[in-house]
Amino acid sequence: DMQMTQSPSTLSASVGDRVTITCRASQSISSWLAWYQQKPGKAPKLLIYKASSLESGVPSRFSGSESGTEFTLTISGLQPDDFATYYCQQYNSYPWTFGQGTKVEIK
Amino acid sequence: EVQLVESGGGLVQPGGSLRLSCVASGFTFSSYWMHWVRQAPGKGLVWVSRINSDGSSTSNADSVKGRFTISRDNAKNTLYLQMNSLRAEDTAVYYCARYQPFYGSDIWGQGTMVTVSS
Repeated sequence: DMQMTQSPSTLSASVGDRVTITCRASQSISSWLAWYQQKPGKAPKLLIYKASSLESGVPSRFSGSESGTEFTLTISGLQPDDFATYYCQQYNSYPWTFGQGTKVEIK
Repeated sequence: EVQLVESGGGLVQPGGSLRLSCVASGFTFSSYWMHWVRQAPGKGLVWVSRINSDGSSTSNADSVKGRFTISRDNAKNTLYLQMNSLRAEDTAVYYCARYQPFYGSDIWGQGTMVTVSS
C-alpha cells in the first residue's frame, strides 16, 4: 500500500503566521493528492485537489505545491478559523491512504 | 443543496451486524463513484470501501474484506455499507463521500457513529 508520511503532527502558530505542512508519498502518485481540513466533530472539508488546485470557495491563503513525491500545504496568514487538523490523501491508487494528520494549534 | 446524510449507526455487540445508509440529494447520484471512510475516536481518517457509479465494481480495505459490503440503490439515491462480524476495532465515525475524478472526495456526509462493545 502507498504510505503517506505527514509532518509535523502538531504545529503551534499565531494568527498571521505562515504555516507549512508536508506530506511525503512512498512512491509516485502523479499529483493525485488532496488536502482536507477537519474541525472537531465535523466532516473533512476539501481544500486542495490535484496537489495544487484550490477548491471553489476556499480562501486564497491556502495553497498546495509538489516536488516529486513531496507535497506541501501552505497557509499564508493564519486566521482564527484555520485552527484545525489537516490531512493529506492520495487518490492515485487503491487503497486510498491518508497522512496521519497535522493539528494546528494556537500558540 | 448538495448533501449526503448518513444514518444507521449505533451500539452493537462484537460479532454483530449493522447496515449504514447514506442518502444523497442535490446532485445526480447515479453519475458518481462513492466511498466510505472511517475515523476511530481521536484517530485519523481511514479509507474503507468504494463503489462505481452503477454498482458493478467495488473495492474494500484489507481490514474489512469479507466482512463489509458496499452497495447502492441509484433509484433511491442511497449508498449502503453492510457490516458483519463487527469487532471492537471497527468502532468509529463512518463518513460517506462523493468522488469526482480529478477532484477527489469533494462532498462528505456528517458521519454516523458505530460503537462495537459488549
